[in-house]
Amino acid sequence: GENVEQHPSTLSVQEGDSAVIKCTYSDSASNYFPWYKQELGKRPQLIIDIRSNVGEKKDQRIAVTLNKTAKHFSLHITETQPEDSAVYFCAASIRANAGGTSYGKLTFGQGTILTVHP
Amino acid sequence: NAGVTQTPKFRVLKTGQSMTLLCAQDMNHEYMYWYRQDPGMGLRLIHYSVGEGTTAKGEVPDGYNVSRLKKQNFLLGLESAAPSQTSVYFCASSYSPLDSFGFKAFFGQGTRLTVV
Repeated sequence: GENVEQHPSTLSVQEGDSAVIKCTYSDSASNYFPWYKQELGKRPQLIIDIRSNVGEKKDQRIAVTLNKTAKHFSLHITETQPEDSAVYFCAASIRANAGGTSYGKLTFGQGTILTVHP
Repeated sequence: NAGVTQTPKFRVLKTGQSMTLLCAQDMNHEYMYWYRQDPGMGLRLIHYSVGEGTTAKGEVPDGYNVSRLKKQNFLLGLESAAPSQTSVYFCASSYSPLDSFGFKAFFGQGTRLTVV
């Protein structure tokens, strides 16, 4: 099955600096790569996603890049703020079939604890 | 529109006890999932459902059972709880059009379960 590795496990930056989190995946058939942010005690929330036919996507201060050849994708946060402090998860989705129905099956990375110091 | 709602939010069980976690979604999503979250291991899929009346095993299904009798509800059962099942459990749901190559998952607020 799919395996997603995420690095680093913890990341500490100063406010205003950039933060980069990297993930690699094993199954070249994976075609959808979302990123989730989870604040302490809260549910994971989708912050950005990218599909396999796109190399880069930006949304204000966050961006995601995808290198299909190398099977890795990264989250970039610029001008970090203390409220960016959270656990970030990457995931890879592969199309799977169950009972004749097609659906996307998500495999998550281990998570990165990002701390932004004021 | 409440999204995805889980009950209960917290629970402490003794080893060997049973319980059921309820997940309810009001977005008319076809797909529903149960994950467990443990420190340093991300979210791991326990069971999932691709529609009413269907269920399937995920990565870590042992010790759990599920049912999807109604489209909006997905139940996770622990028949005989063990300390290894101490975790935070998240339910998720998604809508995936047939011509889509991916989906967006919406999560419930989580259930913190402790088995002593």
